[in-house]
Amino acid sequence: EDKVVQSPLSLVVHEGDTVTLNCSYEVTNFRSLLWYKQEKKAPTFLFMLTSSGIEKKSGRLSSILDKKELFSILNITATQTGDSAIYLCAVGMEYGNKLVFGAGTILRVKS
Amino acid sequence: DTGVSQDPRHKITKRGQNVTFRCDPISEHNRLYWYRQTLGQGPEFLTYFQNEAQLEKSRLLSDRFSAERPKGSFSTLEIQRTEQGDSAMYLCASSSQGPGELFFGEGSRLTVL
Repeated sequence: EDKVVQSPLSLVVHEGDTVTLNCSYEVTNFRSLLWYKQEKKAPTFLFMLTSSGIEKKSGRLSSILDKKELFSILNITATQTGDSAIYLCAVGMEYGNKLVFGAGTILRVKS
Repeated sequence: DTGVSQDPRHKITKRGQNVTFRCDPISEHNRLYWYRQTLGQGPEFLTYFQNEAQLEKSRLLSDRFSAERPKGSFSTLEIQRTEQGDSAMYLCASSSQGPGELFFGEGSRLTVL
């Protein structure tokens, strides 16, 4: 069965800290790994990764994929209270159209 | 607003009643997805449409659940004879290519009493 596991389940940091969120997966016919941010509403897209070792960056957020070890990390530097959210990792397969999501990491940034 | 819209945003119903949710995707997107999310979990795939054709259904989708996308634009998700275990957030998403970036609506939260 396809599986996506995120860790930690939750963490609390102070503004200015750097955090690393982890996502490991076991799926058949991997195609892509995606990160989403979910506040109280809809998940919003952050990154899509398809190739190992190529870092994607957007402001203070960055992510990288390791297809050999089957994991990805999401880094957030200089955290702000607005970064408080649930961060979801999802994997898309080569065949089929669904994304398989992990349970998410709840991040709380304290001022 | 040209994003994905869902209606109603909240629905409270009694066990045994039928409910229907509507999703209007981004207009140029031909792919539409329904997901269900419960507290503390990530979204779980329910079903997928490409234009009007329902091409994939999860085994989570029991025979009490039915989804349609009659003209390849908006979609409806109906749950018949609701059970308390159906209480969840029902998320709709659309995309122009898959399975890549999905654009999610804000969800329809169902509470079954």
